Amino acid sequence: DIQMTQSPSSLSASVGDRVTITCRASQGISNYLAWFQQKPGKVPRLLIYAASTLQSGVPSRFSGSGSGTDFTLTISSLQPEDVATYYCQKYNSAPWTFGQGTKVEIK
Amino acid sequence: EVQLVESGGGLVQPGGSLRLSCAASGFIFSTYAMSWVRQAPGKGLEWVSGISGGGSNKYYADSVKGRFTISRDNSKFTLYLQINSLRTEDTAIYYCAKFIDDRTVRAASDIWGQGTMVTVS
Repeated sequence: DIQMTQSPSSLSASVGDRVTITCRASQGISNYLAWFQQKPGKVPRLLIYAASTLQSGVPSRFSGSGSGTDFTLTISSLQPEDVATYYCQKYNSAPWTFGQGTKVEIK
Repeated sequence: EVQLVESGGGLVQPGGSLRLSCAASGFIFSTYAMSWVRQAPGKGLEWVSGISGGGSNKYYADSVKGRFTISRDNSKFTLYLQINSLRTEDTAIYYCAKFIDDRTVRAASDIWGQGTMVTVS
């Protein structure tokens, strides 16, 4: 099975900073990659699918890129409401594996 | 409004069984694949199982294969997860989720339910 590895596991940044989270697949998955945001005690929210397509209603400061094995989620200007754990998920084929998550905090 | 509402969770002893349900509304249920995702307390998301819109194709994580069975009743707009031989490590919130694109299993999940808690102790 394909493994999904996120880095870093956690990060702390200041409001307004550019934040980048990386997700690496152990084999190529084309662009079948989604990013989710989960705030404490809340349900996961789809941010990006097809590696770079912004889900409706998601602020434009979020963006995704990549194809094959290496993917990136970028928050162009970190806001206090972005404090959350972010997960990548592959969906090219079962199992639809998630990365282990990246916890984002405000410095 | 698209909505998913899970039910059926609870406290169960190791070796026991539960059937989780997910009632769907606001979309053409039969054309969308669905999945179950769980989250153990303080841990990350774990994909558990998926099913195609018609119900003929079913998929399982290795950790639950042979113990969990996914099914759906499109006439009742309901997704199910039968969980047997429960272990303490199955303790988690179980979410059902709808795929964003119809008629395919190659899609992300755009709508999630609030989850139902399963505690094995």
